Order: sequence, then C-alpha cells, then structure tokens
Amino acid sequence: LAKTTQPISMDSYEGQEVNITCSHNNIATNDYITWYQQFPSQGPRFIIQGYKTKVTNEVASLFIPADRKSSTLSLPRVSLSDTAVYYCLVGAHNTDKLIFGTGTRLQVFP
Amino acid sequence: GAVVSQHPSWVICKSGTSVKIECRSLDFQATTMFWYRQFPKQSLMLMATSNEGSKATYEQGVEKDKFLINHASLTLSTLTVTSAHPEDSSFYICSARVPAEGVNEQYFGPGTRLTVT
Repeated sequence: LAKTTQPISMDSYEGQEVNITCSHNNIATNDYITWYQQFPSQGPRFIIQGYKTKVTNEVASLFIPADRKSSTLSLPRVSLSDTAVYYCLVGAHNTDKLIFGTGTRLQVFP
Repeated sequence: GAVVSQHPSWVICKSGTSVKIECRSLDFQATTMFWYRQFPKQSLMLMATSNEGSKATYEQGVEKDKFLINHASLTLSTLTVTSAHPEDSSFYICSARVPAEGVNEQYFGPGTRLTVT
C-alpha cells in the first residue's frame, strides 16, 4: 500500500477554507485516494474518495492532479466542529485493508 | 449510512484478566471486519482482519494468542484481550466495509477505551 505524507497539524479560523495536501508519490495505477475524519475518542468517519481530477460532495472537495502523486482535501468555510484529525489513505479499490498514516490535526479557532 | 456498534464503550480491568470487546454491524452483513488499536495522540494501527467463518489474519507484530478474534456470524466479531497488562491500555476500534459497487468505504465503530490497572 502506498505511503502517504501529510502535515502534522494545521490551524484555521471559522469561515475560512482549509486545504490539506497529501503526498503519495508511489501511488499505483489501481489505487484510490480516500480521506477520513476522526474526532477525539471516536472512530474515523469517511469523508470523500476519488481517483483523478475533482470529486465533490456535501462536505468537501478532493482535488487530484494528473500525475496523482498528491491530493488536496478542501473544506469550505470551516467551523469549530471541523476541529479533528484528517487522514489520507491510498489503496486499491477492492482492497479492504486500510493503513493509516499520521494524519493532520486541524484546529479551528473562533 | 451503515452503522457499526461496539460494546462496551469503555472498560477497566485488573492486570492478568481477560476482556472481550464486541463489534456489530447493525444494518448490514459484513464478511470481513477489522480491528485497530490507537494510543493517545497517535494514528490507528491495524491489528487484524476478522473473517467470518475462518481464522483472523494478524498484522506483523500482533500476538494472535493474546488478541483472540472470533467472527462467528456475519454481524458480529469479538476481540478478546487475554491476560491484559497496563501496556494494553488503549482505544480499540473496529470497522467493516459495506459490500457494494462503487466507493470503497469502511464504517467504523465508536471505539472501546480499555484501561488495565
């Protein structure tokens, strides 16, 4: 499974857009990119998944450049409740096993 | 979305005793479930893959005789921490993937906080 690299932490203020970038230089052709969110003392929650270009859902957007060696999770207009750890994972679409990296600890201030 | 539950949500036990943690898929059947461990301020570490009707597959470095996994039905997997010691104190989380086309999404349980005294 491809290794991922993310910033350890990020700070933001309410109402701002937050972009968290993940590097995955060794991504394989059949790998997908998935982002999870985890609040303290809770299990992770799926945010978004993509393969290339751009994916958007009701909570976030995922931007993936043509070479797929990185991806950016974009959270529009964050609120205090978005304070959490965000994990970027890379793996084959039909692979159940998830290997979590260090994640990015996002702190949103009022 | 699909719901995965865990029981208990927290447990305190004495050193040397065994503790069983249950993981249930409430509204779907899961042939495969996963068990993770998470220490404070650290990431999730995959411990094992639980397969319904067969033996679990453990990750390297995880003692299979200490962390017993039983996946007796399509909706229930259990993790038993045998002869627990204070270093086993951690947050244990299970997950399951909903078998479906399209997005490969796993649903996680709320976790179980184990404290060994």
